[in-house]
Amino acid sequence: DAGVTQSPTHLIKTRGQQVTLRCSPKSGHDTVSWYQQALGQGPQFIFQYYEEEERQRGNFPDRFSGHQFPNYSSELNVNALLLGDSALYLCASSPRRVGSYGYTFGSGTRLTVV
Amino acid sequence: GQQLNQSPQSMFIQEGEDVSMNCTSSSIFNTWLWYKQDPGEGPVLLIALYKAGELTSNGRLTAQFGITRKDSFLNISASIPSDVGIYFCAGRYNQGGKLIFGQGTELSVKP
Repeated sequence: DAGVTQSPTHLIKTRGQQVTLRCSPKSGHDTVSWYQQALGQGPQFIFQYYEEEERQRGNFPDRFSGHQFPNYSSELNVNALLLGDSALYLCASSPRRVGSYGYTFGSGTRLTVV
Repeated sequence: GQQLNQSPQSMFIQEGEDVSMNCTSSSIFNTWLWYKQDPGEGPVLLIALYKAGELTSNGRLTAQFGITRKDSFLNISASIPSDVGIYFCAGRYNQGGKLIFGQGTELSVKP
């Protein structure tokens, strides 16, 4: 049973560029959340997608946007990259059903902005 | 962004020793979670807690959901080298809601 798959694993971008990160959720999961983890910090919630709509959003600027596809996979887009956007970006999937707590994280995409 | 207050930030212990770490929040949560993160990997769930006062074990790990719902602790007994890693607490306000993480406790175990 495949867990959460993220691509690419590493990425180097230049300031001002745009980036797209991808996530395939665990089988049976329909909700995808994205987190940003700066070096030495805990993950910070960016947003959550369910039924192809953004359901919750953390304290991140509009430069951060996302999308969820009918097969539940998701993309995170970041425009006008800043040096401070360098971080590990984690995708977490979960089933929406009541009583479930199961957030499964992927291994992340390490983004470096130079 | 909002983070929980997790302590200690790091621990250096001898193999076989017990470990205790805790997490506090200014907000009330209805779920507390404890994760472990190894280098180059995402966090892996260790223990989930759903009720105030709940004490839950997973092998050598024991965690408790504080009575005030604003804190939680994690104990590791008889540590072994593979316990090395970063441990995060996380709180959640509601079912399906976002997770709010602590800053992490980095554990080093000397054989």
